[in-house]
Amino acid sequence: DAGVTQSPTHLIKTRGQQVTLRCSPKSGHDTVSWYQQALGQGPQFIFQYYEEEERQRGNFPDRFSGHQFPNYSSELNVNALWLGDSALYLCASSRRTSGRKSYEQYFGPGTRLTVT
Amino acid sequence: AQKITQTQPGMFVQEKEAVTLDCTYDTSDPSYGLFWYKQPSSGEMIFLIYQGSYDQQNATEGRYSLNFQKARKSANLVISASQLGDSAMYFCAMREANTNAGKSTFGDGTTLTVKP
Repeated sequence: DAGVTQSPTHLIKTRGQQVTLRCSPKSGHDTVSWYQQALGQGPQFIFQYYEEEERQRGNFPDRFSGHQFPNYSSELNVNALWLGDSALYLCASSRRTSGRKSYEQYFGPGTRLTVT
Repeated sequence: AQKITQTQPGMFVQEKEAVTLDCTYDTSDPSYGLFWYKQPSSGEMIFLIYQGSYDQQNATEGRYSLNFQKARKSANLVISASQLGDSAMYFCAMREANTNAGKSTFGDGTTLTVKP
């Protein structure tokens, strides 16, 4: 049973460029959340996708956008990259359900983005 | 708004001893979930333990236990019999209600170093 996968592992981009990061959720999961983790800090919530729609959004500008596909995989797009966008981007998947294990959320290994 | 505070940037513990990592939280929601994650240098966020706000007993998962004091709004992680492999960054996090919906709010983490 594959866990959450993310691609690419590392990425180097130049200021002003655009980037797309990809995430495949754990088997059986239908909800994907994206987080940005700057060096030495905790992850910050970017947004969450369920049923191919953005359901909740954190305090991030419109340069950050996303998409969820019918197979539940997701993309994070960042336009007009800034130096400050350099961070580890984490994807987390979960399943919208009630019950004992409804809190479970699994994280992928992350994509480390460097903007020069 | 939800807030997580971890006041210990770094902690040291001798192998085989127990260690407590502090976490305090603030929220106006009556129903919430508290989490602890381990993040090794590889970057992946590993779920350790969960405590629901209405759970009567403190959560335990193997060598991990959560010391939940609701009136003090604290959710400290206790690791018993520390192992060298426990050296990592540890994050306390909160999510609304006992569901996987919604964003998680993370603290800034505590770096734990286990000494042989």
